[in-house]
Amino acid sequence: QVQLQESGPGLVKPSETLSLTCAVSGYSISSGYYWGWIRQPPGKGLEWIGTIFHSGSTYYNPSLKGRVTISVDTSENQFSLRLSSVTAADTAVYYCARARGGSYQFDYWGQGTLVTVSS
Amino acid sequence: EIVLTQSPGTLSLSPGERATLSCRASQSVSSSFLAWYQQKPGQAPRLLIYGASSRATGIPDRFSGSGSGTDFTLTISRLEPEDFAVYYCQQYGSSLWTFGQGTKVEIK
Repeated sequence: QVQLQESGPGLVKPSETLSLTCAVSGYSISSGYYWGWIRQPPGKGLEWIGTIFHSGSTYYNPSLKGRVTISVDTSENQFSLRLSSVTAADTAVYYCARARGGSYQFDYWGQGTLVTVSS
Repeated sequence: EIVLTQSPGTLSLSPGERATLSCRASQSVSSSFLAWYQQKPGQAPRLLIYGASSRATGIPDRFSGSGSGTDFTLTISRLEPEDFAVYYCQQYGSSLWTFGQGTKVEIK
């Protein structure tokens, strides 16, 4: 059974960098698929942040480009998100998820982690 | 960038009724790349439908998806108590993923 688990600080100060990691179990990242980050501000809808292919190719939401970096560590079977220059608008539940190649739906999701941006 | 618009924003129905949710794209979407998700409070989204009409593993057959081009529909044939939730459509195109804003199905 594929499982994803987000981890990282729950509180980040404005202008600093948000860093999260998604640990994957039950499947080897290096075997394939896309691995993505999606966020959901409190009481609002889902926003795609970006996706990385197992080979390292990255795809980012244009509205966040320039602030987002997604990387993969196949030796640890995990991938990471860095979002720089955060503001209160970046407060959200952050989810990691796996996307199937060929049809691109997110079939497995982590439970999500709330990140609050506040001084 | 393709924008997905879901309607209605809220659907008030009773258990046993039929729910019809719409997802309209700002430009044509490949049916292969259109998915639907269900999200309950405090939970991660769950994949229901992919490829516009294929049910994900373990999804009951009361959920069905249809559509092509710019108009897609999620139908729940008979609402069960556990179906009251928020539903999102999602598409992939030009190396970008986008989600609709969601439709809430609430108990009338």
